[in-house]
Amino acid sequence: QKEVEQNSGPLSVPEGAIASLNCTYSDRGSQSFFWYRQYSGKSPELIMFIYSNGDKEDGRFTAQLNKASQYVSLLIRDSQPSDSATYLCAATGNQFYFGTGTSLTVIP
Amino acid sequence: KAGVTQTPRYLIKTRGQQVTLSCSPISGHRSVSWYQQTPGQGLQFLFEYFSETQRNKGNFPGRFSGRQFSNSRSEMNVSTLELGDSALYLCASRSPGFYTEAFFGQGTRLTVV
Repeated sequence: QKEVEQNSGPLSVPEGAIASLNCTYSDRGSQSFFWYRQYSGKSPELIMFIYSNGDKEDGRFTAQLNKASQYVSLLIRDSQPSDSATYLCAATGNQFYFGTGTSLTVIP
Repeated sequence: KAGVTQTPRYLIKTRGQQVTLSCSPISGHRSVSWYQQTPGQGLQFLFEYFSETQRNKGNFPGRFSGRQFSNSRSEMNVSTLELGDSALYLCASRSPGFYTEAFFGQGTRLTVV
């Protein structure tokens, strides 16, 4: 079992819709969780992090954490074509664990 | 503050050759991790170095190796290259702690022909 699992995708949503990206983790000792965005041909960059149970909002992005279920999600509201990218979930435990990534395409 | 620097950016090698990639972390970061990224497998963890010691290792064959120097710069080496080693190799550095993010370099695009 991988330490961090993401829905493999690819995921396609129409412009203006909500994109939902999901991630589960196996290490109950994980303390913090990160979402990275990676455009094609570029390196990943951090878009959000979350430490506490519940929701954390930043503009059109909302990160959700449920430690009891070991589940992290990223919601992108009013999706735009510029949101088309690969999204990587990461968790800290004994090391910095990354999921393999989910490819999102927003269709105009 | 300078970011993570990876060299070279692009590389073309022939099957059977060996290659060395370099990563200079952000100043003060002692943890350096390496990843292989392909369209089919996504991001895969290779290994992590901290203060010149390999702290964690992913499920890759022994052809993949690395090291870290006293200035925290790291190198990874792949020997006896195979076509399947063609990938984007990413390096990330971070400072210690549960709540610190990882910063990525621009990556090295390796093509094996």
